[in-house]
Amino acid sequence: GAVVSQHPSRVICKSGTSVKIECRSLDFQATTMFWYRQFPKQSLMLMATSNEGSKATYEQGVEKDKFLINHASLTLSTLTVTSAHPEDSSFYICSARPGTSSTDTQYFGPGTRLTVL
Amino acid sequence: AQSVTQPDIHITVSEGASLELRCNYSYGATPYLFWYVQSPGQGLQLLLKYFSGDTLVQGIKGFEAEFKRSQSSFNLRKPSVHWSDAAEYFCAVGARAGNNRKLIWGLGTSLAVNP
Repeated sequence: GAVVSQHPSRVICKSGTSVKIECRSLDFQATTMFWYRQFPKQSLMLMATSNEGSKATYEQGVEKDKFLINHASLTLSTLTVTSAHPEDSSFYICSARPGTSSTDTQYFGPGTRLTVL
Repeated sequence: AQSVTQPDIHITVSEGASLELRCNYSYGATPYLFWYVQSPGQGLQLLLKYFSGDTLVQGIKGFEAEFKRSQSSFNLRKPSVHWSDAAEYFCAVGARAGNNRKLIWGLGTSLAVNP
């Protein structure tokens, strides 16, 4: 149980284009989903917290107009990197917290490797 | 301020040896504590978690961790390491941030296993 999928697993795009990454909780409902960015050999950097049906809460320094987050249902959140540039190349990981959880447990997707040329 | 410290950036052990990964936290209330493992190029897998009760918690893959409130620690242990345990290990504490709750992460410990 508690499986989270992420799609695509790998994407290469040209500078200036937009890329959408999907995060799905497959066997539970997630009222809250999280988007992280991870640089090589480093820890996770929380980008934003997404609550179903409301606007995402972005961490300080994260551009909300560049990283658009939509959490339209209890099982799906999307991250759109708009007008991507090479510096946006990174490993993006989503996680989901079950709606029944009162203990902060997050279940993670396998990640998406974004390369912007 | 809430924080998590993993003092060891990199650890190398021999296969079959015992392992202890250190984690110290700073949090004002009773913490929710987690250990996650990340294999190369993969997302994170939950190894174990502590919420309350027994301070020694058992996890998957033969791992255990002990919560010591007096030391603000939640160290991860395994009696006999396997080559497949080579990975990045992250300790985290659950924390409130405004109206949201999130995980505060340590910087991780990279584990290498010698044959």
